[in-house]
Amino acid sequence: QTVVTQEPSLTVSPGGTVTLTCASSTGAVTSDYYPSWFQQKPGQAPRALFYSTTKKYFRTPARFSGSLLGGKAALTLSSVQPEDEADYYCLLYFGGIWVFGGGTKLTVL
Amino acid sequence: QVQLVESGGGVVQPGESLRLSCVASRFIFDTYGMHWVRQAPGKGLEWVAVISYDGSKRDYADSVKGRFTISRDNSKNTLYLEMSGLRVDDTAIYYCARDWTDYTVDVWGRGTTVNVSS
Repeated sequence: QTVVTQEPSLTVSPGGTVTLTCASSTGAVTSDYYPSWFQQKPGQAPRALFYSTTKKYFRTPARFSGSLLGGKAALTLSSVQPEDEADYYCLLYFGGIWVFGGGTKLTVL
Repeated sequence: QVQLVESGGGVVQPGESLRLSCVASRFIFDTYGMHWVRQAPGKGLEWVAVISYDGSKRDYADSVKGRFTISRDNSKNTLYLEMSGLRVDDTAIYYCARDWTDYTVDVWGRGTTVNVSS
């Protein structure tokens, strides 16, 4: 069974920078897994941020970026704002099935 | 704007069946694949199933394979999830989501809650 792993929780100060990662139990994450990222705030549906590793939706803040880093997919938030506090999920494609990561709870403190 | 509205959730006993619906609006439904994703209380997102734009291809997560069936009626702009043999661990908010280019989803509904309890 394929497992996708994210940091369970991270804390960042307002104005700081934080990187969230997404790893696969099958090995290095590459662009062939089409990593995408979602933000979810309490009581809300998820909101799409990135697809295909680096491609941004038009509402995604410019201070967010997607990349591959050390065999993982990564989401970097710069100049973090209080409203960025949320759960973040990655999604990987495994040829016919999709698997979400367990999610990262980002606290802005 | 593009909208997805789920319905059909409720409280059922283990072993029972339930059918969820998702009505799409403000986009050309029959040109998009569609997914179901669920989220157990206090837990993360779990991908459940996908169906192609014309219903000819379907795939499922192992956790629901053989028990759940995804289908669609393009004349009604509606996606369905037929769930049978429900288990307590199927308790979750069920979201429908639109398939987007490059193997992802972009638009999500607000979800419908399924509670499997004896």
